[in-house]
Amino acid sequence: GAVVSQHPSRVICKSGTSVKIECRSLDFQATTMFWYRQFPKQSLMLMATSNEGSKATYEQGVEKDKFLINHASLTLSTLTVTSAHPEDSSFYICSASDGDRESNQPQHFGDGTRLSIL
Amino acid sequence: LAKTTQPISMDSYEGQEVNITCSHNNIATNDYITWYQQFPSQGPRFIIQGYKTKVTNEVASLFIPADRKSSTLSLPRVSLSDTAVYYCLVGGSASGGSYIPTFGRGTSLIVHP
Repeated sequence: GAVVSQHPSRVICKSGTSVKIECRSLDFQATTMFWYRQFPKQSLMLMATSNEGSKATYEQGVEKDKFLINHASLTLSTLTVTSAHPEDSSFYICSASDGDRESNQPQHFGDGTRLSIL
Repeated sequence: LAKTTQPISMDSYEGQEVNITCSHNNIATNDYITWYQQFPSQGPRFIIQGYKTKVTNEVASLFIPADRKSSTLSLPRVSLSDTAVYYCLVGGSASGGSYIPTFGRGTSLIVHP
């Protein structure tokens, strides 16, 4: 149980392209979804938290107009990297929880998306 | 926010028990302690979660002392496939009461034949 599917697993595209990443909870309702970015040999950095039907909450230093998050249903959240540039190249990981934002419910992670901007 | 401190790396051999300790001195009353495992180019995978004393599941045990300022993940009889990065995560509450998960640097465990 508690499976999170993330697509695509890898994207290679030209600078200036917008890229959409999908995160789906397959067998539970994801009240809260988190989006992380991870650079090589580093830890996960939280980018934003989203709740179904409401605006995402972005961490300090993360541009909300650059990283558009939509949490349209209890099973789907999307991250769109707009006008991506080489410095946006990274490993993006989503996670989902069936608890609310104040909950300590464990997160269930997708397998990540390797984004490479040429 | 509860900050965690773990050893950067550990080495072990197949069949040995491995204990990874995480310090979280400013853990809040309502915070749980959760451990995750991450392989290269994959998302983290939930291992175990606890609040106090001891929790055991089919893959690990989690020991939490009474003051809850640290926790120890115990992996019995590790194998080569346990080579991964292990993160402890403590529920963090911002001033508004929202949970902000904060991953530390994690512990890179290498299991040798």
